[in-house]
Parts: sequence; C-alpha cells; structure tokens
Amino acid sequence: GAVVSQHPSWVICKSGTSVKIECRSLDFQATTMFWYRQFPKQSLMLMATSNEGSKATYEQGVEKDKFLINHASLTLSTLTVTSAHPEDSSFYICSARPTGGLATNEKLFFGSGTQLSVL
Amino acid sequence: SQQGEEDPQALSIQEGENATMNCSYKTSINNLQWYRQNSGRGLVHLILIRSNEREKHSGRLRVTLDTSKKSSSLLITASRAADTASYFCATDGGSNYKLTFGKGTLLTVNP
Repeated sequence: GAVVSQHPSWVICKSGTSVKIECRSLDFQATTMFWYRQFPKQSLMLMATSNEGSKATYEQGVEKDKFLINHASLTLSTLTVTSAHPEDSSFYICSARPTGGLATNEKLFFGSGTQLSVL
Repeated sequence: SQQGEEDPQALSIQEGENATMNCSYKTSINNLQWYRQNSGRGLVHLILIRSNEREKHSGRLRVTLDTSKKSSSLLITASRAADTASYFCATDGGSNYKLTFGKGTLLTVNP
C-alpha cells in the first residue's frame, strides 16, 4: 500500500525555537496533503490543506504565520512551527491524498505522526 | 461543528467477541470512512462506504450506513488482542476530499 513518511517522529525543543516537520509520500504523488493536530485521547483537528505549488489553506483559528506550510513538490510537504511555545506541544499528523482517479484518491494515507514537546 | 460523533467512547471486550462502534454525523456526505489508530501512531484506512451504499464488508469488518439517520456502524467480528486501538469515523462532504473526524472509540480487546 501507499506509504507516507513523517519525520521526525518526536522532537523536544526550547521555547522560542522553530521546528520543521516533513511529510513525504514515498511511492505516489500527492497534489494535496493535510496537516492535523491531535491532543491526547482527542480527535484529529485539521489545521490546513497543503496544495502543491500554491498557498496552503488554513482552517479557522489556525495562525498561518505560526504554522508555515510549504508544499514544494508532489511528494513533500513541510510544516514549520515558528517560535514554538509550550502550548504548541502536541501530536502533529500529516496525510496525503494520491493524485489519480476517483477510486484511488478518496482515502487518505497518513504519516506516523510527530510528537512535539516544547520546554 | 463537530462531524462524526462515535459511541461508545471506550469499549472493552474479550478476545473472540464482536465489537460494534457507532458514528453519527450532521451534514450530507459523499462517503464515510473508518480509520484505526494505534497509540501514538498515524491512522490507517480501514474501509470506505459511499453515500449510495448501505453495507460493506472487508475481512472481519462490516460497515453499515444509514443516510436517513446520518449514522454508521463498524462491526469487528471475532476480535483479537491486536485489534486494540482507537477507531475513528471520518466524513467526506465533497470539499476537496477534506475529511472531518469524529472523537473516536478506544477499543480494548483483552486476551
């Protein structure tokens, strides 16, 4: 099946620093990728939709200057948490939608997530 | 507003028993999907049911969809300890394939 690689799987950083998380589709192309945030024992909250070659679309309440998204190629999207603070500590997950026919692109393929801890 | 509310929030059963999880949603959908998440990991797609389908099977999984009641159920038969995970329903309203996830059901299968 399709594989999405998310890196790093966990990161600890000091308050005020920036952290970059990568999401790669390894064996398929993805015009669209999604970034989610998940708190313990909670559901996934969609943060933004990342579109290759264009600006990301952010959900209401998500600061675009805080969470920078770049989708420079059909296989890579990055999320940068800028000037991280302890309240940004969370589990971040990406997903990718394969570019192709309807039967292949309705379901999403997820990365394994990144646990961010800001001290 | 939150789409996809699962119940129960947590379910604990013995190995070999069946597990049923329910999901309700509020708006019209193109399809409804079920995903599984092991603790601290990403989600794995289990099954997709389209709005014009009523029932679908995949291995030990059975999904039903009642669009008149805006609800779906996921049945896992003959459960195994390895089925222990959180299960989420997700609705696709047709907007750029953006999925809205429910709160999930934590299933624990005791050996």
